[in-house]
Order: sequence, then C-alpha cells, then structure tokens
Amino acid sequence: DAGITQSPRHKVTETGTPVTLRCHQTENHRYMYWYRQDPEHGLRLIHYSYGVKDTDKGEVSDGYSVSRSKTEDFLLTLESATSSQTSVYFCATMTGVEAFFGQGTRLTVV
Amino acid sequence: RKEVEQDPGPFNVPEGATVAFNCTYSNSASQSFFWYRQDCRKEPKLLMSVYSSGNEDGRFTAQLNRASQYISLLIRDSKLSDSATYLCVVNIGGSNYKLTFGKGTLLTVNP
Repeated sequence: DAGITQSPRHKVTETGTPVTLRCHQTENHRYMYWYRQDPEHGLRLIHYSYGVKDTDKGEVSDGYSVSRSKTEDFLLTLESATSSQTSVYFCATMTGVEAFFGQGTRLTVV
Repeated sequence: RKEVEQDPGPFNVPEGATVAFNCTYSNSASQSFFWYRQDCRKEPKLLMSVYSSGNEDGRFTAQLNRASQYISLLIRDSKLSDSATYLCVVNIGGSNYKLTFGKGTLLTVNP
C-alpha cells in the first residue's frame, strides 16, 4: 500500500456549509488527485496537483477548490456544500505507472 | 462520446467460466492503459497494465488494439474472489499524468 490516508472517512454536513477533506501521503509522490465516484458517472477527476502549489482543474471542478502547501498533503474544499456534492471522494497519488488510492470519504450533504 | 466506455454489465457467471470485458477510448493520443479492480465499498486497485503486444498475468489476459482504440480483459477459470467491478483506465499522457476511468463493469461469480 502507498500510505495514503483520507480524513474524515465519513461526514454528514448541511447545505451551504464549507467542508474540507484531507489527503495525506507518506510516499513523496509528486502527483496527487481528487476524484468523486457516483453510480451514474463512475470516477471523475475534480482537481489534481503536479507539485507543491501547482494544481489544475479536472472535469468536475465547479464548487471545489484545492490546496497543496506540502508534498504530503492535498486538501479538497467544498466552498458551500450542495446536495449534488453528496458522493464518495477518493484521493490518489501516482507514480509514472500506477495510481494508488486512499480508502475514500463518504460525504453526505443534507 | 465519453472518453472511456465500457460494457455496462452486470456480468453474472458461474465459477470456472471465461468472461471478457471490452472498453473503447476516444482520444487517439492516449498513451497508457490499465485495468483496475474495485471491490464493493473499497478503493480501486491496479489489476494490470495493458501493453500493445498484449500481456498475461495468470488467469488474466489484457489486450490493446490501438487502431480500433479498444482494450479488453479476459478472465479464465473465474473464481468467487474475482467478483468485483472492473475499471478500464486510460492515461492521455503529456507532462501531467491524468487518468480517465470508465464507469466500470460489475462481475459476480456464482458458486
């Protein structure tokens, strides 16, 4: 395993509140990613990072922001949570060949 | 057209069966290809990479057809433990590695 820890693992929050999910890795991988997984869409890329303070948008970035101030940490913030952001969120890191995923965060927005 | 499309499934097969999954990708510039496996309520994990020459890992065989932009995964002698969702994954490449996932195909192997 690549030593990726996501926190929290489960969260219920109210519509309109900000939420931050944390991803921590111990492998010193350069590339880090945030995906969301929904039954009707599968895994979709939200944002990714290719280095400290270097981030870019994925295909479903609206309503999300990210920050990476250290190699090991990649934060995902939902600025004002909406019910459509109820999902399972996965963080991943990548070597040149393989992606390693965290165990996921199940987020429910009520 | 979605970037990566897979058989929607689900597939229900008896133990010992051979099952094949198909996947197509839209971007001809795609550089690397993978099959990932995801167990229920778990994270995806790499099953195998897919090479142009085709590759085999025990009961699993992956093939790539660049001309048709088509990837396949064959599982022989299915086991109960093969029950999972199988994800076709494509890396378009370039300076930033970005993986694009198919929606996945659910396989259930029955005793």
